[in-house]
Amino acid sequence: AQTVTQSQPEMSVQEAETVTLSCTYDTSENNYYLFWYKQPPSRQMILVIRQEAYKQQNATENRFSVNFQKAAKSFSLKISDSQLGDTAMYFCAFRVAAGNKLTFGGGTRVLVKP
Amino acid sequence: GAVVSQHPSRVICKSGTSVKIECRSLDFQATTMFWYRQFPKQSLMLMATSNEGSKATYEQGVEKDKFLINHASLTLSTLTVTSAHPEDSSFYICSARDGQNFYNEQFFGPGTRLTVL
Repeated sequence: AQTVTQSQPEMSVQEAETVTLSCTYDTSENNYYLFWYKQPPSRQMILVIRQEAYKQQNATENRFSVNFQKAAKSFSLKISDSQLGDTAMYFCAFRVAAGNKLTFGGGTRVLVKP
Repeated sequence: GAVVSQHPSRVICKSGTSVKIECRSLDFQATTMFWYRQFPKQSLMLMATSNEGSKATYEQGVEKDKFLINHASLTLSTLTVTSAHPEDSSFYICSARDGQNFYNEQFFGPGTRLTVL
């Protein structure tokens, strides 16, 4: 079974600054995907970024980037130039490449302050 | 992009009644849909995996007779909370897997807030 751990329940950041969210996971699988999802106050889950385990290059989507350390089973999310609209819960998630189920971490609440 | 809808967005019911929540994939066919439950300030907990034309697979600890799931078509799955009680009050989220998507990605509905009085 896979587990996903987010050790930071809450983080705050000033607008335009950078914040990094931590995520570690445990698995015996070799081929998998990792995701970061955003859940704003509307509660709609939005995919922020995905990383394939077989890719060494870290994924980037505009202001969002990840630091994927496969050997350490670590998958952190960096939000650059934080905006007020980034205020949300962020969930790290794992899925076996050939599988269906997503395993979510406990979430990190991010508050962007003006 | 792929869109998943849920109906209703919020429902209030009396204890002992049954409530049905619909999950629809609007622009793609979803052979697999998922139902999650989310308590306030907590993560998503997978309740069951719904496969079109077959019985749902429930996660350990989820009562099959309490949470009835039907996936009768490639675009619709329903969750019925039977004989609802106040402890069933929660936020229910569905997602649909797009098999044509390269990553077999799940797309999430906007959720349904259930309040049982």
